[in-house]
Amino acid sequence: QKEVEQNSGPLSVPEGAIASLNCTYSDRGSQSFFWYRQYSGKSPELIMFIYSNGDKEDGRFTAQLNKASQYVSLLIRDSQPSDSATYLCAVRTSGSRLTFGEGTQLTVNP
Amino acid sequence: DTAVSQTPKYLVTQMGNDKSIKCEQNLGHDTMYWYKQDSKKFLKIMFSYNNKELIINETVPNRFSPKSPDKAHLNLHINSLELGDSAVYFCASSRVSAVSGELFFGEGSRLTVL
Repeated sequence: QKEVEQNSGPLSVPEGAIASLNCTYSDRGSQSFFWYRQYSGKSPELIMFIYSNGDKEDGRFTAQLNKASQYVSLLIRDSQPSDSATYLCAVRTSGSRLTFGEGTQLTVNP
Repeated sequence: DTAVSQTPKYLVTQMGNDKSIKCEQNLGHDTMYWYKQDSKKFLKIMFSYNNKELIINETVPNRFSPKSPDKAHLNLHINSLELGDSAVYFCASSRVSAVSGELFFGEGSRLTVL
């Protein structure tokens, strides 16, 4: 079982729709959870992090964490073509180790 | 000012050669990392140093040798390059004690082995 799993996609949504990205993790002791966005040819950049169960909102982005189900998601409301990128879920399992999923490629169609 | 900088950005070399990538961070972070990203975008950790001490050493061929002369620098030397080493190598840093402990990435070094 992979430590961090994401739907590899690609995921395609129309402009203005809600994009939903999902991630599961295997280590119940995982402490904090991150969503990174990576444009083609660029480095990953942090969108959000979450460490408590529930929702965390920042502008059009909402991260949701359910530790009992070992599940974390990212919702992007009012999706824009500029949101088209690969989204990487990352999990801090212990100490400084941050483990990444394989990423979900999102395309927002105008 | 670039927070995490890597050089060179591109390397093209022949199999069997040796190459180095340098990384520097000016964020005052205590931990630095090397990640390898393959053609499928999978980011896999290779090494991590905390205050110059090696703390993560994944299953990486011993042709790869990291060196951290101080906590602001982490270099990666690769001996006897193989075709499978072609990838983008990202340096990153973090302050582990911070609430988020997020990683800040450099721009990446694209290595192509011919």
